[in-house]
Amino acid sequence: SAVISQKPSRDICQRGTSLTIQCQVDSQVTMMFWYRQQPGQSLTLIATANQGSEATYESGFVIDKFPISRPNLTFSTLTVSNMSPEDSSIYLCSALTVGGSYEQYFGPGTRLTVT
Amino acid sequence: AQSVTQPDIHITVSEGASLELRCNYSYGATPYLFWYVQSPGQGLQLLLKYFSGDTLVQGIKGFEAEFKRSQSSFNLRKPSVHWSDAAEYFCAVGAPGNTPLVFGKGTRLSVIA
Repeated sequence: SAVISQKPSRDICQRGTSLTIQCQVDSQVTMMFWYRQQPGQSLTLIATANQGSEATYESGFVIDKFPISRPNLTFSTLTVSNMSPEDSSIYLCSALTVGGSYEQYFGPGTRLTVT
Repeated sequence: AQSVTQPDIHITVSEGASLELRCNYSYGATPYLFWYVQSPGQGLQLLLKYFSGDTLVQGIKGFEAEFKRSQSSFNLRKPSVHWSDAAEYFCAVGAPGNTPLVFGKGTRLSVIA
């Protein structure tokens, strides 16, 4: 199993600023992902965080807006850049465990409000 | 590519009544199927999962789900709903090869006395 922590748990930011969200997993995992959950909506995959290389972004998401780093097997960051009110969402870090047991774990999320 | 459809946006049931939440998936092979629950202001909690084998899977909190390949469905059931079951329920599909889960739009469950 894996326990995922995220920091900060919530934040209120002004438009035009940037926020970096940290994700820490308590065990080595094969894959790490970032999802967005807009108010009242489902989870949408932003990108796959690749260790030591550029993240793989889904359609509609770009690196300039959502730069992602993954320097090692257990840590990743997501930055929401040049924020607008439309970026107000919950951002969730997720990890896929090693060992053949396909199970995807989720962090508690970072609730972002942009004013 | 995988996709998930949850046809019911909102369901209201009486406490003690039975519950069935529908989920249909699209995937070319045998998928990995999951149900998650999200209570207001909370993170996602895994209720149950199906990889292979017995098509009726048991999960936590008294939930079960049945995989029906012929109908491409993985419906979630509970025989007697409790008020604490009120939450958002997400069906998700995954595939071998370390691919991320794809989620349905969710079904919001309300429980009335």
